[in-house]
Amino acid sequence: GDSVTQMEGPVTLSEEAFLTINCTYTATGYPSLFWYVQYPGEGLQLLLKATKADDKGSNKGFEATYRKETTSFHLEKGSVQVSDSAVYFCALSDAFSGGYNKLIFGAGTRLAVHP
Amino acid sequence: GAVVSQHPSRVICKSGTSVKIECRSLDFQATTMFWYRQFPKQSLMLMATSNEGSKATYEQGVEKDKFLINHASLTLSTLTVTSAHPEDSSFYICSAKSRGHSMNTEAFFGQGTRLTVV
Repeated sequence: GDSVTQMEGPVTLSEEAFLTINCTYTATGYPSLFWYVQYPGEGLQLLLKATKADDKGSNKGFEATYRKETTSFHLEKGSVQVSDSAVYFCALSDAFSGGYNKLIFGAGTRLAVHP
Repeated sequence: GAVVSQHPSRVICKSGTSVKIECRSLDFQATTMFWYRQFPKQSLMLMATSNEGSKATYEQGVEKDKFLINHASLTLSTLTVTSAHPEDSSFYICSAKSRGHSMNTEAFFGQGTRLTVV
């Protein structure tokens, strides 16, 4: 079945460092890909998305490119801030998996940014 | 954005007791609510989908008699873990969407509930 694999955390960075959180997926159809973020004490929020190959999703300085050839959707940010400390979830939604807009999540990656 | 409030955020209960988790949409009518569970270091897994006023649809492998879901109003869904056992200890998250959201990817998530059964 469809699945999402993301790098295990925690990821610890200094402020202004470059961030990459790896995400790869397996899917039988043509999935849409998402990154969600959960700040401490809050619910998951949609951070960005890409619906087809080569699309780039971006928001709040974060970006991720849908790479069909490598089945990846890595999250990047050029200069992280302390306020970016959160748990990041990669997810896919595959209209052809039988669960039309069912979301399939990775395990989440905790990011801790220090001043 | 819209707010979904989940309560309690943490709960510890004794083995054999039941625990109820509430999920409320505070500023919109939630026609559909989703319940997820996450075991340590594993993926967030969809347990069930519930539409207001109808029975929940459970994912394969989820026991409907153990995880009772009620969605009796457009602003409230509850998940009751019945006769809880230590293996039910997990992180449970709800999400909700309105009729205006075409995809559940646009759903709004609660903060989650960490359940520990001792």
